[in-house]
Amino acid sequence: AQSVAQPEDQVNVAEGNPLTVKCTYSVSGNPYLFWYVQYPNRGLQFLLKYITGDNLVKGSYGFEAEFNKSQTSFHLKKPSALVSDSALYFCAVETGGFKTIFGAGTRLFVKA
Amino acid sequence: SQTIHQWPATLVQPVGSPLSLECTVEGTSNPNLYWYRQAAGRGLQLLFYSVGIGQISSEVPQNLSASRPQDRQFILSSKKLLLSDSGFYLCAWKLSTTEKRGYTFGSGTRLTVV
Repeated sequence: AQSVAQPEDQVNVAEGNPLTVKCTYSVSGNPYLFWYVQYPNRGLQFLLKYITGDNLVKGSYGFEAEFNKSQTSFHLKKPSALVSDSALYFCAVETGGFKTIFGAGTRLFVKA
Repeated sequence: SQTIHQWPATLVQPVGSPLSLECTVEGTSNPNLYWYRQAAGRGLQLLFYSVGIGQISSEVPQNLSASRPQDRQFILSSKKLLLSDSGFYLCAWKLSTTEKRGYTFGSGTRLTVV
């Protein structure tokens, strides 16, 4: 079965430190990979995507993600966390059909 | 530019009452439209999707239904709400199944059934 795993329910990091939010997937074919962010009581916002090409993709608000085909991972990273980065982050995979597979979400808490 | 509007933002309804949530998209034509539900502030559950007027696909058999009376309008309904229908409902759109820009989501409706 196709799936997306975000192994951490919550990630805690101090402001100014680097952050990583993990995502692994299990799908057939060549998927499109996405990260979305959700602030409280709001819809999800697109952060970045990997379709093809360079394994390191850059997105909004200084975030980047590294695609690793051999490990089937697409971890979200940021060199220096801000308190305002605190939110719920979703990894998502599309395989060209009508549906998207979302991970369960990881709550990021950045402490001042 | 494309925008998506979803209303109301919050709703408190008694058990057994009807429901109608509306979503409209502006600035594009023939979008794929989606209704998701998010329970307990975490994972997303796909409820319905539509690739055109009058075309609705249901993912989860339940107390809800969806309709697409116009190209850019997507409505989520229920005849009789259950307590378990409480949650955060999100409308979203994409240009096509191969759209590489991902989804654009509405701001959501928080439904509380009491």
